[in-house]
Amino acid sequence: GEDVEQSLFLSVREGDSSVINCTYTDSSSTYLYWYKQEPGAGLQLLTYIFSNMDMKQDQRLTVLLNKKDKHLSLRIADTQTGDSAIYFCAVMFSGGYNKLIFGAGTRLAVHP
Amino acid sequence: DAMVIQNPRYQVTQFGKPVTLSCSQTLNHNVMYWYQQKSSQAPKLLFHYYDKDFNNEADTPDNFQSRRPNTSFCFLDIRSPGLGDAAMYLCATRAAGSDTEAFFGQGTRLTVV
Repeated sequence: GEDVEQSLFLSVREGDSSVINCTYTDSSSTYLYWYKQEPGAGLQLLTYIFSNMDMKQDQRLTVLLNKKDKHLSLRIADTQTGDSAIYFCAVMFSGGYNKLIFGAGTRLAVHP
Repeated sequence: DAMVIQNPRYQVTQFGKPVTLSCSQTLNHNVMYWYQQKSSQAPKLLFHYYDKDFNNEADTPDNFQSRRPNTSFCFLDIRSPGLGDAAMYLCATRAAGSDTEAFFGQGTRLTVV
């Protein structure tokens, strides 16, 4: 079945890089997404990567995909206090009707 | 302009009283999703539609039903809400076969009293 896992917490110092990791179980993934959710707010798409890509960079964000190991990561360079939020990894599985499955989310805390 | 609209933003219902949440989209996307998100947890997929084809997740309670009368609208019906059904309900749409994102609405926060 389809499953997406993330570590639950990450604490970093302001200005450092943050790396949030995600693993998934089913190799029939097509697109993989990173969403950000701030307290009381909806889901904000940060970036996504297609499964035939290894890396995607978008300003401070770098996504790395290791399809062999079914591992996805999000690197945030120069992390700021405004980056404090929950980050969800989501995987679009190609079987059936394109199911979009979320991980449990990683709570990123940025401290001075 | 909002592309996926959920109404209402906040809904209070009584224990056991049927409630309907609505979602509309202006994107003409053929895939629509309903998710349940409880505090600090992952959005959990309840159902999704590909056009009118309905796909119910195996662990979605029977208490939850859905209707999609046309491309633009989708409804989530909770027949007998329990206290455990209090959550944020998120609707999302996606154009099947495209290489872009799922578009989420702002969600409806359901409180059961």
